[in-house]
Amino acid sequence: GESVGLHLPTLSVQEGDNSIINCAYSNSASDYFIWYKQESGKGPQFIIDIRSNMDKRQGQRVTVLLNKTVKHLSLQIAATQPGDSAVYFCAEIPGTDSWGKLQFGAGTQVVVTP
Amino acid sequence: DGGITQSPKYLFRKEGQNVTLSCEQNLNHDAMYWYRQDPGQGLRLIYYSQIVNDFQKGDIAEGYSVSREKKESFPLTVTSAQKNPTAFYLCASTLGQGASSRDTQYFGPGTRLTVL
Repeated sequence: GESVGLHLPTLSVQEGDNSIINCAYSNSASDYFIWYKQESGKGPQFIIDIRSNMDKRQGQRVTVLLNKTVKHLSLQIAATQPGDSAVYFCAEIPGTDSWGKLQFGAGTQVVVTP
Repeated sequence: DGGITQSPKYLFRKEGQNVTLSCEQNLNHDAMYWYRQDPGQGLRLIYYSQIVNDFQKGDIAEGYSVSREKKESFPLTVTSAQKNPTAFYLCASTLGQGASSRDTQYFGPGTRLTVL
């Protein structure tokens, strides 16, 4: 039957605190990872990416960490603001033969409270 | 302004009808993609096109069709064969091919399709 009432994992963060959003991936051949932010009713926006030959990459207020040993990716948002409230997706390209074919996670809902 | 546009923003369809969703980009990107998003789920790939006049099925192509007659346009037709078409449809594009940072997919604003 059809699944109903699917709920995303939710991270509730107080404004000004740091947020950490986690993502596990299963394909050890994946060599490129992207974090997207999606606000309600809009398309995903690119936040930051990282290649598999890196462990860490920093952007403006965001840091992505990649742990290939345990196949884990995280997105850290510093000094979380109300505008950061959204669903955050990690995506991977599973190997150089999978050109352009991103595999998306289900997403994490981030709710910023005052 | 450069970007990806999708139209319409909202679309209502009666059962048994085919509908076509528009996706246009002026980024001069080679590749374009269509995804479907259902509530509480990640994006699932329907079709993608690496170059003009060529396209490939994604993970959930059944009940959908596409064309790529122009580099900037990649319309998606949701046919009556699609059993559960109500969803949020997203179009994306990438500059080129190969595993490099320029392969970041940029998304349009989406079309919400509802079957009545």
